[in-house]
Amino acid sequence: AQSVTQLDSQVPVFEEAPVELRCNYSSSVSVYLFWYVQYPNQGLQLLLKYLSGSTLVKGINGFEAEFNKSQTSFHLRKPSVHISDTAEYFCAVSERSNFGNEKLTFGTGTRLTIIP
Amino acid sequence: KAGVTQTPRYLIKTRGQQVTLSCSPISGHRSVSWYQQTPGQGLQFLFEYFSETQRNKGNFPGRFSGRQFSNSRSEMNVSTLELGDSALYLCASSKRSGVYSYEQYFGPGTRLTVT
Repeated sequence: AQSVTQLDSQVPVFEEAPVELRCNYSSSVSVYLFWYVQYPNQGLQLLLKYLSGSTLVKGINGFEAEFNKSQTSFHLRKPSVHISDTAEYFCAVSERSNFGNEKLTFGTGTRLTIIP
Repeated sequence: KAGVTQTPRYLIKTRGQQVTLSCSPISGHRSVSWYQQTPGQGLQFLFEYFSETQRNKGNFPGRFSGRQFSNSRSEMNVSTLELGDSALYLCASSKRSGVYSYEQYFGPGTRLTVT
């Protein structure tokens, strides 16, 4: 079974400052990695995903994440945040499977608050 | 392209009743997954349906069930509602072609309140 840890439940950041949201995972098999964002009263929107290949992946809205296999981490970064980035961010994993696997295991989320 | 739609958006039920939630996936998507989101437990996987068959199931009691129709639309049913079932229920669809499918698109959710 896999698990996801998001150590920071809340992260306040000044507008135009950089931000890093941390994500660590645990799994006995290879995984795919995802970051989702949830705005108030909405569903989840995929920011980016790591399937294979380059460990640095770029997503929407200027976000990027780096997969580090040795540290089992997949931290999300943005060089300059905007007020509109205020939301809850979820890291998720799914196990690689020869039979297909849509089950996502989520972290507990990080609430990002942008301070004007 | 229309996104994932869920109906109803809000629902209030009484303990002991049952409820059915509906999810229409993106056109062409054959896989539908359901998740429960609560402040205490976070986001938890309920089950996934693909081609009308349940392919994966999370750790929820048998009161939680689902099905998928030939047009890929899915319903989720919760019987004998408990106060703890109050949650946002999210549906997600994906293309899932054989073993390859990695991107799930989520609907806005159904907010269920049990009183």
